[in-house]
Amino acid sequence: AQSVTQLGSHVSVSEGALVLLRCNYSSSVPPYLFWYVQYPNQGLQLLLKYTTGATLVKGINGFEAEFKKSETSFHLTKPSAHMSDAAEYFCAVTTNAGKSTFGDGTTLTVKP
Amino acid sequence: GAVVSQHPSRVICKSGTSVKIECRSLDFQATTMFWYRQFPKQSLMLMATSNEGSKATYEQGVEKDKFLINHASLTLSTLTVTSAHPEDSSFYICSATRAGGQDNEQFFGPGTRLTVL
Repeated sequence: AQSVTQLGSHVSVSEGALVLLRCNYSSSVPPYLFWYVQYPNQGLQLLLKYTTGATLVKGINGFEAEFKKSETSFHLTKPSAHMSDAAEYFCAVTTNAGKSTFGDGTTLTVKP
Repeated sequence: GAVVSQHPSRVICKSGTSVKIECRSLDFQATTMFWYRQFPKQSLMLMATSNEGSKATYEQGVEKDKFLINHASLTLSTLTVTSAHPEDSSFYICSATRAGGQDNEQFFGPGTRLTVL
């Protein structure tokens, strides 16, 4: 069984400030971890993923995430928020069978 | 590469009618396709897993006779909502994994907004 918990359904930051979106997971097997972004009435766009190897993963649009096995975490960060980063963000864990479990999502608001 | 399309993007139908949604992988062969539904301000809920040439596997609580899934080829899966009712109104999203892919990355379609009157 696998599950994902995203702490904080809403996160608000000022433009230029650090973005931190939290994700904790549970999985009975080594996980594949993903972060997606969703804009209104659109599908999901992959930001970054962790499969194996380096635990610090860099993605698109300046986002990165660090896989910490001891903490079962995969938090998403970006040093400086832009207005265009305002969206819904989903963390997901995927098994070898390809089935994904998504967190409840975090709405990121960026204030001017 | 790895583009997934959905058609239609929006559909409005009367209660009791059936609606078919298509999911296509445009530039790759999809071993597996997944169908999700998403209610406003909520996460994606997996409805079923579809493999080419075999019956779909439905998640618990999803009525297989109401949500018919056909995966006739490696690039096309269809979801038919039969006898749709207002409570079926939702955002339906498909995704596909690439044949030969090694990290189970899913490529998502843009979604279909279904409104049942």
